[in-house]
Amino acid sequence: AAGVIQSPRHLIKEKRETATLKCYPIPRHDTVYWYQQGPGQDPQFLISFYEKMQSDKGSIPDRFSAQQFSDYHSELNMSSLELGDSALYFCASSFGDSNYGYTFGSGTRLTVV
Amino acid sequence: GQQVMQIPQYQHVQEGEDFTTYCNSSTTLSNIQWYKQRPGGHPVFLIQLVKSGEVKKQKRLTFQFGEAKKNSSLHITATQTTDVGTYFCAGPHTGGFKTIFGAGTRLFVKA
Repeated sequence: AAGVIQSPRHLIKEKRETATLKCYPIPRHDTVYWYQQGPGQDPQFLISFYEKMQSDKGSIPDRFSAQQFSDYHSELNMSSLELGDSALYFCASSFGDSNYGYTFGSGTRLTVV
Repeated sequence: GQQVMQIPQYQHVQEGEDFTTYCNSSTTLSNIQWYKQRPGGHPVFLIQLVKSGEVKKQKRLTFQFGEAKKNSSLHITATQTTDVGTYFCAGPHTGGFKTIFGAGTRLFVKA
């Protein structure tokens, strides 16, 4: 069965650079969520999209932006990267709201040096 | 703000021993979800509980949802080394599209 696809798997960037993370949800899933997970931490909600519109916003820095495209894939754009942005970034998708469990992608490990 | 708390933070057990993690929400939840994350992996959805007092079983795993729908537990009987990982409870944010995760309980199983 198709899963949530994230790319790239690993990314190394220097401070002040820009990064773009991509997420391809499970077909027919209409909601996409982005989470940030630091080492030993629980996933922290960043932002979500339902039917290509932003549906909820969490602790996402102003330096970050995201959108969901007509084919339902989503991109997280991160600018002016800081060392503290180093983390695992997970994308998850679901059908409808959060009542049916999320399917997570394998994540993108971002390292800022 | 709304919080989901989980204890213990870590648990070391000998293979064959039982394990329980507890989850408490600051607000009443419409449902509670449980996820497992293996070391180096991503969270994997295990189960969702919806009804007050609900109990569900998956082989050696037993999930409970409290009567007040503010707490939940996951109990693993006779742990195996394959149970190693972090177990997260998660609940929907009131009025939003996001799910709030507990801090997780990291389970270590010694063979």
